[in-house]
Amino acid sequence: LAKTTQPISMDSYEGQEVNITCSHNNIATNDYITWYQQFPSQGPRFIIQGYKTKVTNEVASLFIPADRKSSTLSLPRVSLSDTAVYYCLVGFYSGGGADGLTFGKGTHLIIQP
Amino acid sequence: DVKVTQSSRYLVKRTGEKVFLECVQDMDHENMFWYRQDPGLGLRLIYFSYDVKMKEKGDIPEGYSVSREKKERFSLILESASTNQTSMYLCASRDMTQHFGDGTRLSIL
Repeated sequence: LAKTTQPISMDSYEGQEVNITCSHNNIATNDYITWYQQFPSQGPRFIIQGYKTKVTNEVASLFIPADRKSSTLSLPRVSLSDTAVYYCLVGFYSGGGADGLTFGKGTHLIIQP
Repeated sequence: DVKVTQSSRYLVKRTGEKVFLECVQDMDHENMFWYRQDPGLGLRLIYFSYDVKMKEKGDIPEGYSVSREKKERFSLILESASTNQTSMYLCASRDMTQHFGDGTRLSIL
C-alpha cells in the first residue's frame, strides 16, 4: 500500500490560493490519488480525484507530475469556510479490498481573515 | 447524491454493554466500511465488507465485530464496551470514492 506524507498544518488568508502537497513515493501503476475534506463533527467529503497531469472541478485543482510521486491540491481564493482537515489517499479502487483506505492524519488548514 | 445514514449522532453506554452502531446507504454500493476517529490519530479502519455476509478486518478490529445481512446495511458491534472505545465512529460506502455518514460520537462510561 502506498504511504502518503503531507504537512500536519498550514495557515493562509482569505482570498489567497492554497497549495497542499502530498508525497507518495511508492505509488503503484494502477493507483489513483484522492483528496478529502473534513469539518469538525462531520465525515470526510470527497473533493477531487486524479491519475495523472491535471484535474479541475468547481472546488479545486489537482496537479500530478509525470513521475506521480507527489500531488498538489490547489484551492483557489480560499475563504474562512475552507478551514478544515484535508486528507490525501492513494490506492486502486477495485471491487473490494482495503487499498486506498488509509487516511493518515491529514493537513489542518487554517484560514484567517 | 449518495446518502449514508448512521443511526445515532450521539450515544452514551456503560462499560460491559453490547453496543450496536447501524449504517445504511442508498446507492447499492458493494463496499462498506467502519472507521473510528480519535484526536491526533486520524481515521483508522476497523472493518470493511465487500459483499453481503462478507467481512474483512481492518487495522484495529480487536473488540469489534460487524454484520452485513443486507447490501444496504452494515452494523458495527462492540461485544463488551470498554472506556477505550469512546470515540467518533464513521461509516462509509464506496464506488470510486468513499461517501461518509456524519458519524456517531460514542461515550462509554
